[in-house]
Amino acid sequence: EVQLLESGGALVQPGGSLRLSCAVSGFTFSDYAMTWVRQAPGKGLEWVSTIRARDSSTFYADSVKGRFTISRDNSQNTVFLQLNSLRAEDTAIYYCAKGGYITYYECWGQGTLVTVSS
Amino acid sequence: EIVLTQSPATLSLSPGERATLSCRASQSVSSYLAWYQHKPGQAPRLLVYGASNRATGIPARFSGSGSGADFTLTISSLEPEDFAVYYCQQRSNWPRTFGQGTKLEIK
Repeated sequence: EVQLLESGGALVQPGGSLRLSCAVSGFTFSDYAMTWVRQAPGKGLEWVSTIRARDSSTFYADSVKGRFTISRDNSQNTVFLQLNSLRAEDTAIYYCAKGGYITYYECWGQGTLVTVSS
Repeated sequence: EIVLTQSPATLSLSPGERATLSCRASQSVSSYLAWYQHKPGQAPRLLVYGASNRATGIPARFSGSGSGADFTLTISSLEPEDFAVYYCQQRSNWPRTFGQGTKLEIK
């Protein structure tokens, strides 16, 4: 059974940093791209970032480029999202999802809540 | 950036009725389009990929059609568990984009 478990969400002040993790099981992690998608309160889904499996090349939404960094550790079956220079508009539930380079988002985690507020 | 526009924003129907959801792209995405179902407090779920292929375990009452810039998700006979928000998403170009969602509510 495929499982994705996000962690690391918290309340953080504007300008602060946070590191999200997504631990996966049930599939060969190193074979798949991984993606982060977020949902702000009362809003729809927004693609944030994708990291490719083969060469760990990365892709970012313009809204987070230069502030967020996606990475992966294939030995730990974990994908990370480093969030820097956080803004109020980054407040959202952050979901990790399997796939996203040449595939769609086949499976999703339950999400982790990031709140940016003073 | 490819903009996906979903209509209607809200669809009010009764169980047993047929639901037709639309997704229109600002430029062609070929068949690189998926549909997701999202319920409050749950993980989103992939329903249809490649415009018309049902994902694993998805009931046959869900079907997708279209290509280019116009797509449709049809639920042939609504079950109580189908009331949720539905999103289309394209993987033709970067950045990947989602539609704004259609809320399917019980009438």
